[in-house]
Order: sequence, then C-alpha cells, then structure tokens
Amino acid sequence: DVKVTQSSRYLVKRTGEKVFLECVQDMDHENMFWYRQDPGLGLRLIYFSYDVKMKEKGDIPEGYSVSREKKERFSLILESASTNQTSMYLCASSLAGTGWEPLHFGNGTRLTVT
Amino acid sequence: GENVEQHPSTLSVQEGDSAVIKCTYSDSASNYFPWYKQELGKRPQLIIDIRSNVGEKKDQRIAVTLNKTAKHFSLHITETQPEDSAVYFCAASRRDQGAQKLVFGQGTRLTINP
Repeated sequence: DVKVTQSSRYLVKRTGEKVFLECVQDMDHENMFWYRQDPGLGLRLIYFSYDVKMKEKGDIPEGYSVSREKKERFSLILESASTNQTSMYLCASSLAGTGWEPLHFGNGTRLTVT
Repeated sequence: GENVEQHPSTLSVQEGDSAVIKCTYSDSASNYFPWYKQELGKRPQLIIDIRSNVGEKKDQRIAVTLNKTAKHFSLHITETQPEDSAVYFCAASRRDQGAQKLVFGQGTRLTINP
C-alpha cells in the first residue's frame, strides 16, 4: 500500500517565520503535489513536480516555494509565513503511468500562523 | 485555466435514499474526471473515475456520468449507508508537463440520516 507521510500533523508558527513542510512517499512515484484545503474552496494546487529537481507552479503559488532534491521527498516552503496561509496542507503523489493514475494523499499538516 | 464548480455544498439524505452531486468544468481539453471521498479527519481517497471517452461508469452503489457536450459530470450514490457520510470532491484534469494536474471542486458534505 502506498504511503505518503507528512512530517507534522499540527504546526503553529509566527508571522514572518520561514516554514518547511516535508512530505515523503515510499512507492517510487514520479509525480508529487502540494495542495491546500480550505472550507468552501476545495483543494487548490500550490506546486507540483513530475521529476527530481523539476517543479511547476499550480494555481496559487504566491508566497510558496518547493524543493525536490530526491525522488521520494517534496518540501513546501513558506518563505515568510502570513496569517492568510493558515490552512490544511495536503501532499500527494502519483505514478507517471498513463496519465490517469490516482493521487495518493498524506494525512495533512494543519498549519496555524499567529 | 480549468475551473470546476461543484453543487450542492451540503447534502442531507435519508439512509437508503439516493444522493447526486454535480460538477461542471470549463476546459474542453480536460479528459479525466475523478471523485475523491474524505471522511472526517482522514485523507481524501479516490472512489471512482471516468475518462472522456466513456459516458458512464458504475462500481456497485456508485456511478459517475459524463456529458462532454455540456461539460458536466455527476456522482450518483444509491442505497446510501451511514458510512457514505463524508466530503466528496470532484476534479477535472488534462496532462500537463508529464503530470495529470487535477483541479478540484469546492466539495460536498454528504450526511446520511439514519
């Protein structure tokens, strides 16, 4: 069974801090994604990566950056956290495959910025 | 870019009745339409998907229909049970830079009343 592990379940940070959210998958998936989930807005794509060292902007990349130095690890970075980045962050991975491979999500990190 | 609208935002049905959730999408090039279920406190998980070359797909009590001309697709759950209570997300995507970039709807909170 695919396992996508996010390093923290809950995180509280102060405004202006640099924040790292880590995600590791154990199934040799090529694709990795970061989404944020907010009530009434669904899941919105922040960044995705289809290969090591490759990254593409999603729909809401402002205020975020990512790093993918190894195939299994995809990090989301908040350069200077702000209160409007308080949210649930979900990491996901998928096989490149046919292009219709399911997303496998992590359990999420609930980030609060005060 | 793609935009997915999902209705209703909340849905309450009696156990044993049917539930229908509807989504519309904007990008006629989208070719893959999955549905994810997120139980309270858990990660989203794929429950069914449909590709653009198919009009309907069924898996036990769950079915999805796709109307490419009208650009809408729907999830149908028959004989609902308490364990169907969850938030359901539709999504649409097309291949982008080697990855299937999903755009999600806003979510529908389904409650099954005993």
